[in-house]
Amino acid sequence: EVQLVESGGGLVQPGGSLRLSCAASGFTFSSYWMNWVRQAPGKGLEWVSTITSGGSERYYLDSVKGRFTISRDNAENSLYLHMNSLRAEDTAVYYCSRLQLGVTGQDYWGQGTLVTVSS
Amino acid sequence: DIVMTQTPLSSPVTLGQPASISCRSSQSLVFSDGNTYLSWLQQRPGQPPRLLIYKISNRFSGVPDRFSGSGAGTDFTLKISRVEPEDVGVYYCTQATQVPYTFGQGTTLEIK
Repeated sequence: EVQLVESGGGLVQPGGSLRLSCAASGFTFSSYWMNWVRQAPGKGLEWVSTITSGGSERYYLDSVKGRFTISRDNAENSLYLHMNSLRAEDTAVYYCSRLQLGVTGQDYWGQGTLVTVSS
Repeated sequence: DIVMTQTPLSSPVTLGQPASISCRSSQSLVFSDGNTYLSWLQQRPGQPPRLLIYKISNRFSGVPDRFSGSGAGTDFTLKISRVEPEDVGVYYCTQATQVPYTFGQGTTLEIK
């Protein structure tokens, strides 16, 4: 059974940093591209970042470029999102999702972790 | 960026009756490999998104056959043949043809 479990969310002050983690199981993690998608309270879904299976290519939403870094550890079956210079508008539930490129797209999603940026 | 526009944004339906949601993209979603990477997601209250339909019309594993997708190019439709109580939630179309992967605004399905 495919499982994605996010952790690392919490309350952080504007300008602060946070690292989110996503633990994957039930599939060959190293074979899949992975995403981070966020959802502000009461709002819709917004793609944040994607990383290729080997980690050599990374893509970002314009508003997080230079502040967020996506990474992965295929030996540990883990995906990360390093977030710096956080702003109030980054407040959201952050989901990791698996991307099966060329087939099902974003097919499995975690339960999400809440990031609140506030003083 | 590809803009995804859904209509309606809210859909009150009677149990057992059909429902339909439209999604239009600002440019063609046909990828260079000939496939169209348009998916539909369901998000029940308090839950994460769940994949229903991929590549326009393919039901994902475990999705009831009352859900169907259709369309081509820039215009797509999700249909529910007979709405059940567990179908209440928000439905999103999304494209994976081009980065940034974008989502529609979401359509809230509610029971009359």
